[in-house]
Amino acid sequence: LAKTTQPISMDSYEGQEVNITCSHNNIATNDYITWYQQFPSQGPRFIIQGYKTKVTNEVASLFIPADRKSSTLSLPRVSLSDTAVYYCLVVAFKAAGNKLTFGGGTRVLVKP
Amino acid sequence: DTGVSQDPRHKITKRGQNVTFRCDPISEHNRLYWYRQTLGQGPEFLTYFQNEAQLEKSRLLSDRFSAERPKGSFSTLEIQRTEQGDSAMYLCASRQATGGSYGYTFGSGTRLTVV
Repeated sequence: LAKTTQPISMDSYEGQEVNITCSHNNIATNDYITWYQQFPSQGPRFIIQGYKTKVTNEVASLFIPADRKSSTLSLPRVSLSDTAVYYCLVVAFKAAGNKLTFGGGTRVLVKP
Repeated sequence: DTGVSQDPRHKITKRGQNVTFRCDPISEHNRLYWYRQTLGQGPEFLTYFQNEAQLEKSRLLSDRFSAERPKGSFSTLEIQRTEQGDSAMYLCASRQATGGSYGYTFGSGTRLTVV
């Protein structure tokens, strides 16, 4: 499974856009990219997933270049409540298992 | 509430005691996963079930750990002869294997402290 590398931490201010880039150089053809958010004392929460190009939902956007060796999670106009750990994962598209392999994540601190 | 429920939320136990945690997944989800998370780290996979069958176990799941999912509904994770190194957050997640979203739904976890 492709290893992911993302920054350990990022600081931002309310109202700004936060972009977190994740590297996954060894991503396989059948892998897709998924991002989770985790608040303290809670389980991770699915944010967004994609295979290529751009995916957008009500929470975030995910940009994946053509070579798929990296991806960028974009959080528009963050608020204090977006302070959390964000995990980038590569998940194999296969019938069995699909267990998630988490790295250390990126701790995002949104300041007033 | 249609989320994943875990019980208890917190457990403090003395070293050497046995503990059991329960997870109630989303009812229509046939896959159930257990993860362990220590402070400052991402969750680590322990085991997963498809319906009542336990299909994969991590090397992290020593012989002191056992998980069951009778009748393919709720699941229990038991730790025997607890050690201080077992202190962690134990997370349960569920998903539907086919159709729907690929996203997992996690519970809020059981925080275990072994003293």
